[in-house]
Amino acid sequence: DTGVSQNPRHKITKRGQNVTFRCDPISEHNRLYWYRQTLGQGPEFLTYFQNEAQLEKSRLLSDRFSAERPKGSFSTLEIQRTEQGDSAMYLCASSRDTAEAFFGQGTRLTVV
Amino acid sequence: AQTVTQSQPEMSVQEAETVTLSCTYDTSESDYYLFWYKQPPSRQMILVIRQEAYKQQNATENRFSVNFQKAAKSFSLKISDSQLGDAAMYFCAYKRGNQFYFGTGTSLTVIP
Repeated sequence: DTGVSQNPRHKITKRGQNVTFRCDPISEHNRLYWYRQTLGQGPEFLTYFQNEAQLEKSRLLSDRFSAERPKGSFSTLEIQRTEQGDSAMYLCASSRDTAEAFFGQGTRLTVV
Repeated sequence: AQTVTQSQPEMSVQEAETVTLSCTYDTSESDYYLFWYKQPPSRQMILVIRQEAYKQQNATENRFSVNFQKAAKSFSLKISDSQLGDAAMYFCAYKRGNQFYFGTGTSLTVIP
């Protein structure tokens, strides 16, 4: 068990470009979460998967954001036409039918 | 809406001393979970302790304990015998259903 893995750790992109992040949860964790964290703030919920089904989405998740979890394993979060306001740390977490979630190290996105 | 408030942006403690971090939350639910997560400079969120709302007994994990006051909607974290490795940002989190709601965090400095 190597924990939740996120790639890349850092991403710098130009405004208007598309970016995709990957999250590999802990093996056999059926629940997967994406959060966004800006400087000085706590993480904010973006979306939740149970197995391959995306069951909840935050209003923060505009139509430029899309997340997938094919086959209920890894997940990807794509941001299209990035804006400077998208600059943040994107955190992934997973759990297995338990209350607590285990977080990855995050992907820091900088939009220039 | 569920909100979590951490009124102490920064706290400091002398090594080997005890410190208490405050957290209050707002909910109309009776069944939920509360957590304290630690986020060191490496940015990976680490679970410190959890509390089920239906349990009256306060949770304890080694040097970490909570004071859970359900009626007052208060959930403070006590760190005993503080160590240099305890220095981090601490987030209080409330979970209801599939969403976590985080406070804005308390930055803890441990003074040698």
